[in-house]
Amino acid sequence: GAGVSQTPSNKVTEKGKYVELRCDPISGHTALYWYRQSLGQGPEFLIYFQGTGAADDSGLPNDRFFAVRPEGSVSTLKIQRTERGDSAVYLCASSSWTGSNTGELFFGEGSRLTVL
Amino acid sequence: KQEVTQIPAALSVPEGENLVLNCSFTDSAIYNLQWFRQDPGKGLTSLLLIQSSQREQTSGRLNASLDKSSGRSTLYIAASQPGDSATYLCAVSGNTPLVFGKGTRLSVIA
Repeated sequence: GAGVSQTPSNKVTEKGKYVELRCDPISGHTALYWYRQSLGQGPEFLIYFQGTGAADDSGLPNDRFFAVRPEGSVSTLKIQRTERGDSAVYLCASSSWTGSNTGELFFGEGSRLTVL
Repeated sequence: KQEVTQIPAALSVPEGENLVLNCSFTDSAIYNLQWFRQDPGKGLTSLLLIQSSQREQTSGRLNASLDKSSGRSTLYIAASQPGDSATYLCAVSGNTPLVFGKGTRLSVIA
């Protein structure tokens, strides 16, 4: 596609529910990143994929968070047993670079998650 | 652990002024530095990418400089316009993926 696409744009759920957020990166981009942004803060790194594998998942806050990218393109961020503190905007980005240097990242519009 | 600080947190200027946004980082072992723009409720738009071997990058009215040894970058905006109003974020890439500052919220008053 022309840019990074994220769905849903908005998600409201109840505490304890399971949520999936989807990211469709720019076609051909091998690297995919998930970030989380709370109000008034900069984005916080969650996980990074190079191809199908998670190259760095050190930012995932706990084991309720999990992400997959089974075919090296679309990625899904999964949150189990949601808590009110999970409320934030979840941003996805992609890059054509490989290796440690991230190159230029292109971000989607984000998925705003609200946990009631 | 890399930490990125942006000063000021907010800035309000009259239209037409030239302005400078500041970014500092604690670990100078970086691969590159990026400046982004974020409009309210929107994602991030990449403005400029400076590789660690470069000193500056220019795009239109924007100029970003990098002093890796001192851990600083500046974003210079010339002849500011109301359409420049947004939050500007600085991020550095090193041994970990991009680490962001909290941003500078810019308001350009017509």
